[in-house]
Amino acid sequence: GAVVSQHPSRVICKSGTSVKIECRSLDFQATTMFWYRQFPKQSLMLMATSNEGSKATYEQGVEKDKFLINHASLTLSTLTVTSAHPEDSSFYICSARVPAGGQETQYFGPGTRLLVL
Amino acid sequence: GNSVTQMEGPVTLSEEAFLTINCTYTATGYPSLFWYVQYPGEGLQLLLKATKADDKGSNKGFEATYRKETTSFHLEKGSVQVSDSAVYFCALRVRGGYQKVTFGTGTKLQVIP
Repeated sequence: GAVVSQHPSRVICKSGTSVKIECRSLDFQATTMFWYRQFPKQSLMLMATSNEGSKATYEQGVEKDKFLINHASLTLSTLTVTSAHPEDSSFYICSARVPAGGQETQYFGPGTRLLVL
Repeated sequence: GNSVTQMEGPVTLSEEAFLTINCTYTATGYPSLFWYVQYPGEGLQLLLKATKADDKGSNKGFEATYRKETTSFHLEKGSVQVSDSAVYFCALRVRGGYQKVTFGTGTKLQVIP
């Protein structure tokens, strides 16, 4: 099946710094990518929907200026956590949507563990 | 709004035991239903899906039937293996828009030899 990668897999940073997480679709082009956040023992919460070449659509309650999303190409979307704070520590997962065709499927990346000290 | 409720884990079973993980949902419209599995250290993988009432999704010995009358999509397997140890997520997706997926909280399954 299709493969989605994320980089880095784990990052530790100091409070106040910015962290960039990359999401790549390795063997297909994804016009739409999704960013999720997963807290321990909780579900994946959709943060935003990223469309190539246009502004991301954020879910209610997600700060646009805090979580910057860029989808500059059909194979790459980035999430930048700006001025990170300890409460931003979480597991961030992206997914890429395989273009239409009636059997649409989302493929998920392995996730990025962010720890803000 | 849309929501998915699944049984809390962890669920611990002996090898070859019967597995049921309950999942119920609420949705506006007519959703497609999914089970995803997350093995340790890996991303989510689609396990099975069903797109309309009474459909049965199946894969790797796992099954789930789309029950509209009870708004449920329970996951079952007749004989679990140690390699089935993972976290299982029930999810739904409604048609239209960006086709956002709503997930349950996940159920951790541990199968012991």
